[in-house]
Amino acid sequence: QKEVEQDPGPLSVPEGAIVSLNCTYSNSAFQYFMWYRQYSRKGPELLMYTYSSGNKEDGRFTAQVDKSSKYISLFIRDSQPSDSATYLCAAQNTGGFKTIFGAGTRLFVKA
Amino acid sequence: NAGVTQTPKFRVLKTGQSMTLLCAQDMNHEYMYWYRQDPGMGLRLIHYSVGEGTTAKGEVPDGYNVSRLKKQNFLLGLESAAPSQTSVYFCASSPRDGRENTEAFFGQGTRLTVV
Repeated sequence: QKEVEQDPGPLSVPEGAIVSLNCTYSNSAFQYFMWYRQYSRKGPELLMYTYSSGNKEDGRFTAQVDKSSKYISLFIRDSQPSDSATYLCAAQNTGGFKTIFGAGTRLFVKA
Repeated sequence: NAGVTQTPKFRVLKTGQSMTLLCAQDMNHEYMYWYRQDPGMGLRLIHYSVGEGTTAKGEVPDGYNVSRLKKQNFLLGLESAAPSQTSVYFCASSPRDGRENTEAFFGQGTRLTVV
């Protein structure tokens, strides 16, 4: 079992929809949780990160972590065609530098 | 800003051939990593380095070797390529700046096909 599990999709939504992307993890030592966005044929780029449980909002994006259920979520409001990409969830231990990635969910936002 | 630069961007190898992938970063980062990305598997860590002259095994190190002779460079070697090593390889670096969380900065990737 991978330490971070993510449904690879693909997920296809119409423009303007609310998108929900989710991951689960198994290692209780994880304290930092990240979402990376990867456009086709590019390297991943950090989109958002949260520490421990709670929510973090940045414009149309909201990251949510529930440590009690080991669940990580990313919500995208008013989705745009430019949001079409692969979204990878990731986790780190406290004091660690190694990042464990999920498989990535491929998102298509149709105009 | 160049960030993380990988060379080459594409390569086709025959089974049994060897090659070296070069990663260079200009951000003075301490940590560097090599990942491979395969469909449905996500990013898997091959090897990593916590500083010049150091290397360590990651999740899938077999068939690969690495060296970090200079802080800014991290080389990934394939001694005898196999079709199972067909993948997209990403190099990344991250700073050791005292914070708990470290963001990884990725290169553009190297698409390797072994035939």
